[in-house]
Amino acid sequence: EPEVTQTPSHQVTQMGQEVILRCVPISNHLYFYWYRQILGQKVEFLVSFYNNEISEKSEIFDDQFSVERPDGSNFTLKIRSTKLEDSAMYFCASSLYRDRDNGYTFGSGTRLTVV
Amino acid sequence: QKEVEQNSGPLSVPEGAIASLNCTYSDRGSQSFFWYRQYSGKSPELIMFIYSNGDKEDGRFTAQLNKASQYVSLLIRDSQPSDSATYLCAVKKLTFGTGTRLTIIP
Repeated sequence: EPEVTQTPSHQVTQMGQEVILRCVPISNHLYFYWYRQILGQKVEFLVSFYNNEISEKSEIFDDQFSVERPDGSNFTLKIRSTKLEDSAMYFCASSLYRDRDNGYTFGSGTRLTVV
Repeated sequence: QKEVEQNSGPLSVPEGAIASLNCTYSDRGSQSFFWYRQYSGKSPELIMFIYSNGDKEDGRFTAQLNKASQYVSLLIRDSQPSDSATYLCAVKKLTFGTGTRLTIIP
């Protein structure tokens, strides 16, 4: 069964450093998403991406965040200057359609710890 | 006002019984609704999606949607210990509830 792959599974970084979280969506999917989940809290939408541009973003997704699809397979989330409160599980997801979909798949996540 | 609300639980159900999970939402124009299961430390896994009023069944799972009352529910029949997890309700793909922790008691 096709999978969304995320690397690394764990990332520890010092406050103020830049991090790049990587995702390989399912190959025929067209819509890509990033979510985060702070420990013990709900899943929060960050950004959706379609046709090489951001289609929606949340208030969380401020100027410190950026996304990119540098080639035909990878989808990355960059945090420019990490803060302690960025510590969370970051999930990538992909889907074939925007809303009406039965193939919406999350990756296994990257646990980011900012120290 | 929270956009998607769920009872955080924990909800304890005996093995073999029906587990009933509920979710209400505030955006009356919402069209698509999803139920996910999340085991501790794992990513959410899609169980069901529903767009139309009424019931949708898939194996032991039934999703129920009532747009007039703005609620969506998930029934799990013949509950198994492996169903013990946190169940997340989501509206479209953007807004998740806090989840209901379900424990199936053998």
